[in-house]
Formats: sequence, structure tokens, C-alpha cells
Amino acid sequence: SQKIEQNSEALNIQEGKTATLTCNYTNYSPAYLQWYRQDPGRGPVFLLLIRENEKEKRKERLKVTFDTTLKQSLFHITASQPADSATYLCAPSFSGGYNKLIFGAGTRLAVHP
Amino acid sequence: GAVVSQHPSWVICKSGTSVKIECRSLDFQATTMFWYRQFPKQSLMLMATSNEGSKATYEQGVEKDKFLINHASLTLSTLTVTSAHPEDSSFYICSAHGLAGPNEQFFGPGTRLTVL
Repeated sequence: SQKIEQNSEALNIQEGKTATLTCNYTNYSPAYLQWYRQDPGRGPVFLLLIRENEKEKRKERLKVTFDTTLKQSLFHITASQPADSATYLCAPSFSGGYNKLIFGAGTRLAVHP
Repeated sequence: GAVVSQHPSWVICKSGTSVKIECRSLDFQATTMFWYRQFPKQSLMLMATSNEGSKATYEQGVEKDKFLINHASLTLSTLTVTSAHPEDSSFYICSAHGLAGPNEQFFGPGTRLTVL
């Protein structure tokens, strides 16, 4: 069955540094992969989508890579700020149609001043 | 951007009662809505896919008679938790997918259900 793995431990970094979060998937090949941000007690917020034929996508301080050979996506936040502290969810598309997503458990990022 | 609302934002009910949660797309038409459940410190688990005017498709292990889903219009889907029990206490989140666009889903703010 499809399996999504994200860093289970919280990532603590210093303000201004680059945060790198990892998402690995197994047993299937998603057509696209999305990253979401979730704050405690809130619904996820869409950040970026990258398709299988794209190697990299950028949006302001965010960058996502998609390596279909390694079955891995990396999510980078450059010049991190305390306001970036949240849980980040990786969500590859599911081949079952209707644009279903399968979410990873998420990685909690804490940016310290 | 696209906005999805949920109502109520939180609800406390007695065991055995039924609770209805509404999910609305406010500024776009949602052909498909999804319902998720999230337990503390865990990921979102997809419960069902709801398409306007047709029956919902439930994920394996989700009881369709317990979690009733209705998607009567392109802007409204409802989830009714019937005969709720304490183990149904969770954070329920809906998302909507529009008629067009690059596939992202827009999520509601979630509904915290506590069953006593």
C-alpha cells in the first residue's frame, strides 16, 4: 500500500537559517505532490504543488523539489522566521481519481529567534 | 483565494446523539469535497470523497452508516456523525476541489467534536 514518510521528530532551527523538510513515498508514483502548512487547531493551508515532470518549484522563500527516481520531495524555507513555525504536511496525489491526497504525518518546524 | 468554511467550529455532545457538520465553499463551486479526521499529533486521514449529486465514496474502514455524507449542492456538503461515541471525538476537516485549477484542495478551519 502507499506509504508516506516525513521526519517524525520536530525540526528546530535558528531564525535566518534554511529549513529543509523531507517527504519520502513508497509503492506508487504520484502524478503530483503538494505541501501544506497546518497550525494547531486549524485546517491545512496550501503552499505549493509540484508535478511529476517538474524538478523544482519556487514561491517567495519556499522551494520544493521532486525526485521521482528517489521517490522523494524536499521542502525548503529560506531565511526562516519564527512565524514559519508550524507543522508542514506532504501530500502526494493518489491514483484513485477525484484528486485524492494521502497525507504524511507532518513535520513540526520550530524557528527560534 | 478560495475560502471554505465549516460550522460549527466546535461541538460537545452526549454519547448516543447525532451531530451534523457543514462544509461550504464560499466563493467557488466545489465539484468534489473531501472529509478528513485528525486525531491529536496524527496526520489527516481521508474518510470519504463527496461529489455533488451522487453518493459519497468511503475509504476502507469508515462506516458509511455512521458517517452520513450529503453533497446537495456545489457549495455545501454535510457530515453527520450518528449515534456518536467518545471514540468519535476528533478534529473533522473538510476540503473542496473546484471545477478548474491546478488541483490544490482548499481546506476548512476544522470542527472539534467532543463526545461525552
